[in-house]
Amino acid sequence: KAGVTQTPRYLIKTRGQQVTLSCSPISGHRSVSWYQQTPGQGLQFLFEYFSETQRNKGNFPGRFSGRQFSNSRSEMNVSTLELGDSALYLCASSRSGTDTQYFGPGTRLTVL
Amino acid sequence: SQQGEEDPQALSIQEGENATMNCSYKTSINNLQWYRQNSGRGLVHLILIRSNEREKHSGRLRVTLDTSKKSSSLLITASRAADTASYFCATDNNFNKFYFGSGTKLNVKP
Repeated sequence: KAGVTQTPRYLIKTRGQQVTLSCSPISGHRSVSWYQQTPGQGLQFLFEYFSETQRNKGNFPGRFSGRQFSNSRSEMNVSTLELGDSALYLCASSRSGTDTQYFGPGTRLTVL
Repeated sequence: SQQGEEDPQALSIQEGENATMNCSYKTSINNLQWYRQNSGRGLVHLILIRSNEREKHSGRLRVTLDTSKKSSSLLITASRAADTASYFCATDNNFNKFYFGSGTKLNVKP
């Protein structure tokens, strides 16, 4: 069974631009969660989608948004990028949301 | 904050020794999970322990959970150089909203 995949793996953007990251969950998994990892703040929960609905949301500004498609693939979007958005963005999928989360390799975003 | 906090922040041991990491959290939980992360890569799930369980084993890993003390420990026995990584605990007390600690950096010297 294929694991969680994330594209792109690396991304360089400049301040003010927007970016879209993609996550394909493990087949059969309906829950997708997104996390931001930085050296200073550690791993922080962004949001979780289940069956195309956002079910949980972390404490991030509205510049961070996401969506989930009918095939459970998910995208997250960050608008008006700031230097502090430079981070490793990880997505994780699980069957129901309360069970084991399987993480993708992450997308490393650098904002210049 | 509901975040789990790992202790110690860093641990350096010799190959063959045991490594113990601790995690404390603040609120009641549904389950607690341990993950490993190798240098800037994705997280690998190690063990999930539910709030009504006290101990779980998986190969060289042993996890304990004490809900009265709101703490968990991860023991890696007979460590190997390949175990060098950061280890995180994650707690879930709200439907699929996980809180991660800051991690323990384990260095296993060959």
